[in-house]
Parts: sequence; C-alpha cells; structure tokens
Amino acid sequence: GESVGLHLPTLSVQEGDNSIINCAYSNSASDYFIWYKQESGKGPQFIIDIRSNMDKRQGQRVTVLLNKTVKHLSLQIAATQPGDSAVYFCAEVYGKLTFGQGTILTVHP
Amino acid sequence: NAGVTQTPKFRILKIGQSMTLQCTQDMNHNYMYWYRQDPGMGLKLIYYSVGAGITDKGEVPNGYNVSRSTTEDFPLRLELAAPSQTSVYFCASSQGLRTDEQYFGPGTRLTVT
Repeated sequence: GESVGLHLPTLSVQEGDNSIINCAYSNSASDYFIWYKQESGKGPQFIIDIRSNMDKRQGQRVTVLLNKTVKHLSLQIAATQPGDSAVYFCAEVYGKLTFGQGTILTVHP
Repeated sequence: NAGVTQTPKFRILKIGQSMTLQCTQDMNHNYMYWYRQDPGMGLKLIYYSVGAGITDKGEVPNGYNVSRSTTEDFPLRLELAAPSQTSVYFCASSQGLRTDEQYFGPGTRLTVT
C-alpha cells in the first residue's frame, strides 16, 4: 500500500523507553522484508532484514517481528536514544523492493 | 571509500529544461539504482542496472533515461522537466541483488517550476 500523503504516522517516546514501529505490507507472496532508517537530509540506511520463513530476528538493540497471517511487520527498538530519531520505512521484496509509508520517530531526552 | 556520491545536491529547473543527475560509486558494485522520494512517501524505483551496458525500467520510468557505460557511473537524465518530477532523487548500489546490501547516496533535491 502507498502512503496517504504528507501526514506520516508519528511516534514520540522518552529516551530509554522501548519503541515499537508497525508496518502493514501488501503482498502475501513477498519473501523478504527490510527496515530502513532515514535521517533528515540523508538517504535510507539499512537496519535489519527478515526472510518470510522466519517470524523473529534480533539485531543490536533492534528486533523485527513478522506476522504473515495478518501481513504485519514490526520493529522494536530497545532503550531508544535521541540518535534514533528519524523516519523508519519498512520495505517488502517480491522481485523488486517496495517501500511502505514510513513512521516518524521522535525521541525526547 | 567515498561510497555513493551524487551531484548536484540541489537544483531548480524550469518546465521543459533538461538535466543530468550524476551518480558514482567506488565500491565496484555491479548493481545500481535510481529512486525518487516524494514528501512523506517511501522510495520508488525509477531505473536500475545490473552491470555496465545493461539497464532496465523500474516502477516509475516515464520521463527519465539512464545509461551505464562504466561500472562506476549511472547518470539519470531528465529530458523535458515537469513539475511532477519535483522530488528528492537517490542513487544506490549493491554488489548483488540482495537488497540488504544497497548503499544509498545523499540525494539530489530537484524542484521544477
């Protein structure tokens, strides 16, 4: 699905809290999913990926959960820091990479 | 390594003008990509290349052209600029088709008025 426009979902958290960013994907045949972080004025940066035959994958301070039944992906960030403030995009891959809507994460000190 | 570099960083075009957005990577990657990002949206693939001399259309190729004469360079050409092409353009590269290996440039902000 595509973004509805300029009003991205936003998430505001306090430093040290855990953050959960959600994403609904559109193609049940997608076999690979990626989370990107995009800071203001920069290109997207890879965070973590997960294959469709997995339901959970952990990285450093981040965990991605995949629920194929409801076509839902989430990114959990532990002990969120001000440097985590950015727009987070999920992307699904079925032959090509398709980006989701994006969520603005703001971390308050 | 400089990674993926793009020039210019900013550009304002009048309707009907043409320009070339430059992209260079020094990682000897086979695959290169051009995306556009509209405000509040994710990235949409314009064109991609799997190696020198080979290019293919992405999701939104209309109004653009590309060439890949060398491994390092992948310029994007706008022939007749239109306001709908106002966007931020990102170039990316990867060694393989595994998309987790894509490295993005800093972007070119283009305004067509």
